[in-house]
Amino acid sequence: DGGITQSPKYLFRKEGQNVTLSCEQNLNHDAMYWYRQDPGQGLRLIYYSQIVNDFQKGDIAEGYSVSREKKESFPLTVTSAQKNPTAFYLCASREDGFSGNTIYFGEGSWLTVV
Amino acid sequence: QKEVEQDPGPLSVPEGAIVSLNCTYSNSAFQYFMWYRQYSRKGPELLMYTYSSGNKEDGRFTAQVDKSSKYISLFIRDSQPSDSATYLCAMSGQGAQKLVFGQGTRLTINP
Repeated sequence: DGGITQSPKYLFRKEGQNVTLSCEQNLNHDAMYWYRQDPGQGLRLIYYSQIVNDFQKGDIAEGYSVSREKKESFPLTVTSAQKNPTAFYLCASREDGFSGNTIYFGEGSWLTVV
Repeated sequence: QKEVEQDPGPLSVPEGAIVSLNCTYSNSAFQYFMWYRQYSRKGPELLMYTYSSGNKEDGRFTAQVDKSSKYISLFIRDSQPSDSATYLCAMSGQGAQKLVFGQGTRLTINP
């Protein structure tokens, strides 16, 4: 079945460590997105990518990094510079990044800093 | 002022009631309007998608867009306990690279 796969579902990280969240899609979508969701704050955009080898910062990019080496993959690294990384992270994709097409989400990854 | 405003609730209603969820927005360039449903600890799933103004119906769900008032609504008829979730509105303009999301409304349907 086509869809977006995020892994791991739950992740614990010690303070000072970097961690990478995986996102893979087999929908042949051009655009991919990373959002952060905190209780009561809705979705906040971290990074997005319209095409391979290109990406742009969203509203809260500080302390995060991404890469887009393949169309189907858009991993997110949460670095030690992110001061409050405990959150629910959502990856999404869109058929193309410029039309009115809607976006589809993965099941999310829970990151807890211990 | 936020570009999209959505009452976060929580909203609690009895089973069988008609539910009305709403968002207001300030950007007149928005043309594409979406509603997502998110169950606890899950990713959001697309519920309704509307282009420009008007109504769209899908089973017990109706989406309305009033561009003159910059107001969108989602109606749920004959609400069920399985409708208990957070509902997010989202919108974008022509050629826009990003969607703008509302804060989400947490809805509980009581049996």
